[in-house]
Amino acid sequence: DADVTQTPRNRITKTGKRIMLECSQTKGHDRMYWYRQDPGLGLRLIYYSFDVKDINKGEISDGYSVSRQAQAKFSLSLESAIPNQTALYFCATRDRAQETQYFGPGTRLLVL
Amino acid sequence: AQSVAQPEDQVNVAEGNPLTVKCTYSVSGNPYLFWYVQYPNRGLQFLLKYITGDNLVKGSYGFEAEFNKSQTSFHLKKPSALVSDSALYFCAVRMNSGYSTLTFGKGTMLLVSP
Repeated sequence: DADVTQTPRNRITKTGKRIMLECSQTKGHDRMYWYRQDPGLGLRLIYYSFDVKDINKGEISDGYSVSRQAQAKFSLSLESAIPNQTALYFCATRDRAQETQYFGPGTRLLVL
Repeated sequence: AQSVAQPEDQVNVAEGNPLTVKCTYSVSGNPYLFWYVQYPNRGLQFLLKYITGDNLVKGSYGFEAEFNKSQTSFHLKKPSALVSDSALYFCAVRMNSGYSTLTFGKGTMLLVSP
């Protein structure tokens, strides 16, 4: 969905490096989410935010941090990347009145 | 705790035949249920949802799903499969609470042969 953008789309980094994945949305939604997708494991929730001042840990938050800079922007950081963080990362948004989440195109991350 | 099971890693069907992708769930209280589809190198796209009301839900691209409370199932169906339906399908569930989050199944790869 073009209303939810993620940068970069692909990233290769080395173990121990700090990296940031960015997500922006023009849908005006207050709720934003970060997921990772691994083959055979589906999508797992890393962090979520219900508004700028409300940040919550998800199922697999260890090794990650987030920042909600504005309603439209939600960034995911890997403070010290490790190889098992190699995955496909998705950002998603949801309007408070709606039940449907809208996903970005994903960021493919490879940690060497 | 809530969970979703998609018992089939892959479903194979011939074009023109009906297809079913299975999903069962576990959640406290009344569930909100969703199907999403992921095409290669794309993000997830919403297909359909069950919130309340009619147990048979119709969605995008001719897909439908039936909510069965007694069997805690929400199977995805389509009367006549297309080759272009080949993709990865995810079932997801959450509680009917404004603060709950989605739990996804592991996904089922649907392959439709010509």
